[in-house]
Amino acid sequence: SQKIEQNSEALNIQEGKTATLTCNYTNYSPAYLQWYRQDPGRGPVFLLLIRENEKEKRKERLKVTFDTTLKQSLFHITASQPADSATYLCALASGYSTLTFGKGTMLLVSP
Amino acid sequence: NAGVMQNPRHLVRRRGQEARLRCSPMKGHSHVYWYRQLPEEGLKFMVYLQKENIIDESGMPKERFSAEFPKEGPSILRIQQVVRGDSAAYFCASNAGQGITYEQYFGPGTRLTVT
Repeated sequence: SQKIEQNSEALNIQEGKTATLTCNYTNYSPAYLQWYRQDPGRGPVFLLLIRENEKEKRKERLKVTFDTTLKQSLFHITASQPADSATYLCALASGYSTLTFGKGTMLLVSP
Repeated sequence: NAGVMQNPRHLVRRRGQEARLRCSPMKGHSHVYWYRQLPEEGLKFMVYLQKENIIDESGMPKERFSAEFPKEGPSILRIQQVVRGDSAAYFCASNAGQGITYEQYFGPGTRLTVT
């Protein structure tokens, strides 16, 4: 069956460091992959989209890589700030526009 | 430009009652998606609708759950005869749906508690 795996343990890093989150998938051939941020009690907020024929995408302090051979995406936040603390979700395209989400990884950035 | 709106934000129902969750998409968006999020679980896709059409309901439980998106008015997710296991956060999202690469804009969610 299709599976999306994100680290279930929270990632704790110090302010100013680079945070790297991982999304692995199996039994899936996504056309594209998206990353979202979710704060407690709120809906997810879109961050970045990367297509299957793209290796890397950047937006300000964010960078996403997509390796369809390894079936893995890495999400990087450089110069992290306490305000970056949240849960980050990866999502794969499924069918029309429907998305399949991972469970997310919580990031905690300490000052 | 108002974002996706959902109401109510919190809903408490006794077992056996009906729950109606409403979602107004962003202005200009005609595609709506409903998701359910259980504690410690990821978002699970339920249903994808366009105006007056259900496009994909593969994630919707076969019984007690239904969804609609009428020509006028918000999208409605209806849960009949609720049970404790229905307690969850329900999110709706919308987009313009022009192709499969558009991001989805989420509402704040409705937190349903079944007592």
